[in-house]
Amino acid sequence: DAGVIQSPRHEVTEMGQEVTLRCKPISGHDYLFWYRQTMMRGLELLIYFNNNVPIDDSGMPEDRFSAKMPNASFSTLKIQPSEPRDSAVYFCASSFIRATEAFFGQGTRLTVV
Amino acid sequence: GQQLNQSPQSMFIQEGEDVSMNCTSSSIFNTWLWYKQDPGEGPVLLIALYKAGELTSNGRLTAQFGITRKDSFLNISASIPSDVGIYFCAGAPQGAQKLVFGQGTRLTINP
Repeated sequence: DAGVIQSPRHEVTEMGQEVTLRCKPISGHDYLFWYRQTMMRGLELLIYFNNNVPIDDSGMPEDRFSAKMPNASFSTLKIQPSEPRDSAVYFCASSFIRATEAFFGQGTRLTVV
Repeated sequence: GQQLNQSPQSMFIQEGEDVSMNCTSSSIFNTWLWYKQDPGEGPVLLIALYKAGELTSNGRLTAQFGITRKDSFLNISASIPSDVGIYFCAGAPQGAQKLVFGQGTRLTINP
C-alpha cells in the first residue's frame, strides 16, 4: 500500500484566498484524522471521521475551516478565507478499527502571505 | 483538555549512547504510542502500548506503559545517526477515540 497520500505537498497562497487540502487514506482504514502542526502549538487534532462521518470537530479553530469525507478514499480540508496565522503543516492520518493507532501522510506545508 | 508533558525537550548525545525519554499525564490514558518525525515528513509510528505495565520492544527501541496509566517511557539503545529526529509520545485518554500528542523530544547525535 502507498500509505496516506496528501496533496499538495506545498501551498503558498495570498490572504483571503480559498485553500483546499486533499487526503487519500490507506485502503480499508475506517478512521481519518486531520492534524495541524506548528512550532508554538505542536500537533493539534482538528477533526476526525469514522466511516466517513465526522465524529469530533472540536479542534477546528473557527468557521473558516471545514472538512468533508464524501467517500472512504477521499477527504478534504478547506480554509476560506485563509489568513497568515493559518500557516502550518497540515497532516492527514488514518487508522483501522483502533482510532488511536494512526498512520500519517507526509503533510501539506501551507504558507499564507 | 488533556495534556502530555514530554521530557526532555531536546537531547544532544554521542553516537553509541543510550537514550531515554518519557511522557506523563495528569489523567489516565488507555493507549500510549511513540512516533518519530524526520524533517519534512509525517510522524511514523514506532511502538504502540495498550496495557498498563506492558513492555514492548522494536529493535533497539523499548517502550513501557506505566502501571498508573499516566506515564510512558521510550528507550533507544546504542544510538546511531539515523536515530536523529523528533520523537513524540501520544496517548488516548480514557473514554476518547483520539490521540493527544506531547510536545516532542528533539534528538541530536554527534558522530
